[in-house]
Amino acid sequence: EAAVTQSPRNKVAVTGGKVTLSCNQTNNHNNMYWYRQDTGHGLRLIHYSYGAGSTEKGDIPDGYKASRPSQENFSLILELATPSQTSVYFCASGGRDRDTQYFGPGTRLLVL
Amino acid sequence: QQKVQQSPESLIVPEGGMASLNCTSSDRNVDYFWWYRQHSGKSPKMLMSIFSNGEKEEGRFTVHLNKASLHTSLHIRDSQPSDSALYLCAASGSSGSWQLIFGSGTQLTVMP
Repeated sequence: EAAVTQSPRNKVAVTGGKVTLSCNQTNNHNNMYWYRQDTGHGLRLIHYSYGAGSTEKGDIPDGYKASRPSQENFSLILELATPSQTSVYFCASGGRDRDTQYFGPGTRLLVL
Repeated sequence: QQKVQQSPESLIVPEGGMASLNCTSSDRNVDYFWWYRQHSGKSPKMLMSIFSNGEKEEGRFTVHLNKASLHTSLHIRDSQPSDSALYLCAASGSSGSWQLIFGSGTQLTVMP
């Protein structure tokens, strides 16, 4: 099965601080995704990427930036963290188009 | 309003019983559906996918799709306590955008 890792697994940040969430996949998948999961909302797409150097806005991109420096790595950046960004963040990767998405273990972010 | 609606929000079935979960899309461009399962504290894992009218069976799990009504259902027979999890339905479109839209999920509890 595809291997996707995330770091950190847990993070406590202060309001106004900068937070970087990292994701790594070792399956040479082209597509990578960042989601957040909140009770009652399922998974919501923040940013995604089709390959190194590309980033695209998802459904809820406000307050987030993304970076895809290589095929393997995809980061999510919160420049000015707010309490409303407290959530569980999942990274996923997939081959192409309608290929199955494989999810990382998630990062719990608490913004105080 | 969410484009992918799941029902019921929660479901309790006895061990050995049948669990039936529903999912409908309000987006007429959708033509591919996935079911993901997420155990508590874990990441979502793809269970089954379907894009053709009719049904698809894998072991104890059966998925139905009615493309005219954009309705899919997941049926779990001989339910086991290990099936207790959040079941997420996801859909993607046919217009070239392969991004998944997730419903808010059905929380299934199988009572021993």
